[in-house]
Amino acid sequence: KNQVEQSPQSLIILEGKNCTLQCNYTVSPFSNLRWYKQDTGRGPVSLTIMTFSENTKSNGRYTATLDADTKQSSLHITASQLSDSASYICVVSAIKNAGNMLTFGGGTRLMVKP
Amino acid sequence: GAGVSQTPSNKVTEKGKYVELRCDPISGHTALYWYRQSLGQGPEFLIYFQGTGAADDSGLPNDRFFAVRPEGSVSTLKIQRTERGDSAVYLCASSSTRGTGELFFGEGSRLTVL
Repeated sequence: KNQVEQSPQSLIILEGKNCTLQCNYTVSPFSNLRWYKQDTGRGPVSLTIMTFSENTKSNGRYTATLDADTKQSSLHITASQLSDSASYICVVSAIKNAGNMLTFGGGTRLMVKP
Repeated sequence: GAGVSQTPSNKVTEKGKYVELRCDPISGHTALYWYRQSLGQGPEFLIYFQGTGAADDSGLPNDRFFAVRPEGSVSTLKIQRTERGDSAVYLCASSSTRGTGELFFGEGSRLTVL
């Protein structure tokens, strides 16, 4: 069964600090891995998409890494801001005949405090 | 439109009633997804359309749930005989390709069944 596990479940950090969120997956056959940011009461917004051959991808202060051998990904947030407070969702895509099948993690709820 | 539009944004109904939730995807996007998200959880897959046809409806929890996309654009998620356990945010997303491209989410329709 395809699964995506995220850790920690929740995290509180002080403004300006860095943090790293983890994502482990068992999805096959792998197509791509995505990180989304979801503000409270809003729809998820894409941060990064990585395919099998990509090890790292950055989007401003967000840097995602992918190790396809160990089936792990991380999202590193640098110099956190109050607006980074949100849920961060890891989504892994498997190749299926009918199109890609997306498996969502449960998310990490990040709170940045002043 | 500029983004994925979902209506209504909030719906309160009584147990046993019928509900329709509408999704207007980004113009030209052939792939359309419905997800259900409970509080503190990641989105849960319901159904995926490629064009007018439901390419994968394996996520629909039971036969009270049904979705259509008759002209390959707007989609309606229909829930019959609503139950309190159906209360959740229903998210719609669209993509320009067969699921390999970036997914754009709407803001969701929050359903509360009393």
